[in-house]
Amino acid sequence: GAVVSQHPSRVICKSGTSVKIECRSLDFQATTMFWYRQFPKQSLMLMATSNEGSKATYEQGVEKDKFLINHASLTLSTLTVTSAHPEDSSFYICSVTVGLGPDTQYFGPGTRLTVL
Amino acid sequence: EDQVTQSPEALRLQEGESSSLNCSYTVSGLRGLFWYRQDPGKGPEFLFTLYSAGEEKEKERLKATLTKKESFLHITAPKPEDSATYLCAVQAWLNQAGTALIFGKGTTLSVSS
Repeated sequence: GAVVSQHPSRVICKSGTSVKIECRSLDFQATTMFWYRQFPKQSLMLMATSNEGSKATYEQGVEKDKFLINHASLTLSTLTVTSAHPEDSSFYICSVTVGLGPDTQYFGPGTRLTVL
Repeated sequence: EDQVTQSPEALRLQEGESSSLNCSYTVSGLRGLFWYRQDPGKGPEFLFTLYSAGEEKEKERLKATLTKKESFLHITAPKPEDSATYLCAVQAWLNQAGTALIFGKGTTLSVSS
């Protein structure tokens, strides 16, 4: 399967600041990456679909101006949480798809964001 | 509305005590059903993809099966290292490729020696 990395693994920031999270596909080129958010004891919830070279597609209820996604290359997508607040504290995970058809997704190790 | 429900929420087993985890789903056209394992503080690790009713897949002590309404993850003679949260997810047929997964809340398995 695909190898996906995320950076940083943990970040603590003050309320009102912005945080950038990187997602890298290490061993193949990913035209599509996904960003998920997971709250404690909850399921993974899709935030947005990141397409290389075009605008991301956001799920209903996710503010595109707050969660900025850039997929500038086939191996890198970034998620920037702007003006973060304590309620944005969560576990953010990216994934990449391999091939066509039923798309098996391979996930990164996740980024734990804590907003004070 | 597409939906995935996993049961039980938590399961405690003794080492060697086999059991099954359930994933019930409602989806408008199943494209694929996926099982993942997630350890605390880590991203999900891919286990299986099932495409159609009647399909089965195995990996070591794990076996996944699929019907038109649910999937089971059978764990045979589990070991403590099998302790983790097991996630089920479905992907529906939509008008575009690269569609996202809909996840259940998971079953947290604890295996004691």
